Amino acid sequence: EVQLVESGGRLVNPGGSLRLSCAASGFTLTNYNLNWVRQAPGKGLEWVSFISSSRRYIYYADSVKGRFTISRDDAKNYLYLQMDSLRAEDTAVYYCAREGFGEDSSGYYYAYYFDYWGQGTPVTVSS
Amino acid sequence: QSALTQPASVSGSPGQSITISCTGTSSDVGGHDYVSWYQQHPGKVPKLMIYEVSNRPSGVSNRFSGSKSENTASLTISGLQAEDEADYYCSSFITNRGFVFGTGTKVTVL
Repeated sequence: EVQLVESGGRLVNPGGSLRLSCAASGFTLTNYNLNWVRQAPGKGLEWVSFISSSRRYIYYADSVKGRFTISRDDAKNYLYLQMDSLRAEDTAVYYCAREGFGEDSSGYYYAYYFDYWGQGTPVTVSS
Repeated sequence: QSALTQPASVSGSPGQSITISCTGTSSDVGGHDYVSWYQQHPGKVPKLMIYEVSNRPSGVSNRFSGSKSENTASLTISGLQAEDEADYYCSSFITNRGFVFGTGTKVTVL
């Protein structure tokens, strides 16, 4: 069974740092693109960051660029999000999400959708 | 990355059909077929309902269908049921930039 379990969220002061972790199980992390998505209280979903299976491609939302760093350790089956210079507007539940594949006559291809999500870890930035 | 535009709310009676629109630009929704839809009940994790514009994952009811015309994608729920009451979000991949979600639509079953 595919499982994603986030951890590391807590109350932190503005300007502080936090490292979120996402433990993956039930599948081989190596083959998959991974993402972080967040949801502020009472608000909609906001995509945060993407890391390709090869680590060659890494993207960030403009709102976190230069402050957040995504990384992965396939040997340990973990995805991470290093969050620095935190602001009140970063307060949200943070989800890790796996990307699914498409399939055609040629085989499988990256299809850029989120097929599995973790339960989320809450981050509160406040003094 | 500006959020894709969705109506704030859509409502319908049980058994009716409703359609939720998701409007973007030629750089996202209109640029490829990597548009997906997610259902989120209050306090729950988002659930994938549609991927690649119109593909339904196994286990998702065939009452849910997706389509796209130019820069606007749509999710249609037919035979509306009480359990369909939830928030719905579209999402699009943006080449070399990542993803963008829609503003979200609250579906109410009257």
